[in-house]
Amino acid sequence: SAVISQKPSRDICQRGTSLTIQCQVDSQVTMMFWYRQQPGQSLTLIATANQGSEATYESGFVIDKFPISRPNLTFSTLTVSNMSPEDSSIYLCSGKTALHGYTFGSGTRLTVV
Amino acid sequence: KQEVTQIPAALSVPEGENLVLNCSFTDSAIYNLQWFRQDPGKGLTSLLLIQSSQREQTSGRLNASLDKSSGRSTLYIAASQPGDSATYLCAVPRGGSNYKLTFGKGTLLTVNP
Repeated sequence: SAVISQKPSRDICQRGTSLTIQCQVDSQVTMMFWYRQQPGQSLTLIATANQGSEATYESGFVIDKFPISRPNLTFSTLTVSNMSPEDSSIYLCSGKTALHGYTFGSGTRLTVV
Repeated sequence: KQEVTQIPAALSVPEGENLVLNCSFTDSAIYNLQWFRQDPGKGLTSLLLIQSSQREQTSGRLNASLDKSSGRSTLYIAASQPGDSATYLCAVPRGGSNYKLTFGKGTLLTVNP
């Protein structure tokens, strides 16, 4: 099945700054997604990353705060903009494969101070 | 709206014990169900994917069953080991979608040596 490399694995950022998270898949996936996992909670879908076009955001998430790019089938980025302590979470990217369901990156643990 | 519930929220067992984790979902019109493992602060590792036409899947000491009509799945772990300690999550595609996952809150498993 596909393997997703996600970086950085963790970061500590100042409030008001932005962080870009990258995910590289070793093979083509049909769809890519970005999730947020707040402390002690399960995963919440932020958006579906669409190749070559604007991402599709879930209710409560907006492009200005979480711009997403997917220039090709195997690469995507998520930017967390103008960060506040409430953005401290684990961010995960995921890819859907044709045969093996979903595969996930190793996660980015973000702390905003 | 698809809702996924996992019981118990936490489980502590001695090494060598067989155990069962439960997952229930409200909308039985699912395409598949997937079980994941998450180590603290990390991404998700796929354990088993059960298609809607299947009743169970096995991988090593893990066996997952699916009963769509009752909206339930179980993950059976045989001869548990301390290395099995992690959070176990089940996920199903949302109603009306075959790709947007809804996750349960997970079961935190601790296997004591």
